[in-house]
Formats: sequence, structure tokens, C-alpha cells
Amino acid sequence: DVKVTQSSRYLVKRTGEKVFLECVQDMDHENMFWYRQDPGLGLRLIYFSYDVKMKEKGDIPEGYSVSREKKERFSLILESASTNQTSMYLCASSPTGVGEKLFFGSGTQLSVL
Amino acid sequence: LAKTTQPISMDSYEGQEVNITCSHNNIATNDYITWYQQFPSQGPRFIIQGYKTKVTNEVASLFIPADRKSSTLSLPRVSLSDTAVYYCLVGDDRNTDKLIFGTGTRLQVFP
Repeated sequence: DVKVTQSSRYLVKRTGEKVFLECVQDMDHENMFWYRQDPGLGLRLIYFSYDVKMKEKGDIPEGYSVSREKKERFSLILESASTNQTSMYLCASSPTGVGEKLFFGSGTQLSVL
Repeated sequence: LAKTTQPISMDSYEGQEVNITCSHNNIATNDYITWYQQFPSQGPRFIIQGYKTKVTNEVASLFIPADRKSSTLSLPRVSLSDTAVYYCLVGDDRNTDKLIFGTGTRLQVFP
């Protein structure tokens, strides 16, 4: 089975801190995604990447950046965390090609105080 | 953007068939329609995917009309464990590799 591992299940940070959320997948997938999920808003795409060192903005990239130095790892960075970034963050990967299914990690619940 | 529209919530009883419809008026020619299921505190997981007509697997069926502007997920004989949020997903019409989730349908199954 494909495994997508997010480094932390729960994370508590303070306003202004730099935050790194790590995601690793073990199936050599080309595509990786970062979503955030908030009550009543469903899943919203932050950033995605089709290949190493490539990145594309999703629907809500403001306040975030990403890094993909290796194919299996996709990091989400909050340069200066704010309280409105308190959310559940979900990483996903998929093989290349339109219509390929996503494999999700278990999520990181981030609280910014 | 190829937005999707689903009912916010649905209720059912064990043993009934549940049909959840998703609207996607701007679906692109090459887009597939994919449904995911999400339990609390977990990431979504794939249920079924189709392009046109009908697809069936061991979990669900997916009905897609000829114009492909909507799709219906059908869950036969639901059980309590089917209580979850169900998401309909189609490719973005400007960038077919960009996957956009709808807001999801919260299905509650009662005994």
C-alpha cells in the first residue's frame, strides 16, 4: 500500500514562528499536494508540485511556501505563523496523469497561539 | 474553475441505498470524476472514479450522464460505518492536473 507520512500529528506554535510541515511518500509518485481543511470549507489546495524543484500555487497560497528538493518529500513552510493558519493540514501524492487518484496522509492539526 | 456543488448533508438509515449527486458544470473534456470518503481525524480515501456512463466496484457505483455536468455516487445498503464526509473531485478546466475538492457531503447513517 502507498504510504504518505506526515511528520507530526499535532503541532502547537506561536504567532510569528517559522513552521515546517513535512510530508514523505514511499511510492515514487511524481505529484504531491498540500491542502488545508477547515470546518465548513472543505479541503482547499495550498500548493502542489509535479516534479522535484517544481511548484505551483493552489487556491490559497498566501502566507505559505513549499520546498521539494527530493521526489519523495514535500515540505510546507509557514514563514511567520498567524492565528488564521490554525487548521488541519493534509498532504497527498499521486502518480502522474490526469485522473490518477490521490493518496492522503493522516493530517497535521496545527494550532497557532 | 471547475467548481463542484454537493448537498451539505444527508441522513439515512442502515440498509438503505444512498445517492449523492455532484454538479460540475465546467468539467473539461479530459477530466475524470473521482469520489473520496473521509472519516474524522483521517485523510480522505479513494472510493470510485469514472469518466462517463456507469462504474461499479465493491464499495459503490458511479453514474455519469452523457453531458457529464453531474455525477451520482450510489452506496448500496449503507451501514453505520458509512457515516463520513464524501467529496466529489474533478479536474480544473484551466489546468486539468489541478485537483479541486468540493465542500463535501456529510452523510449520517442511523440505526
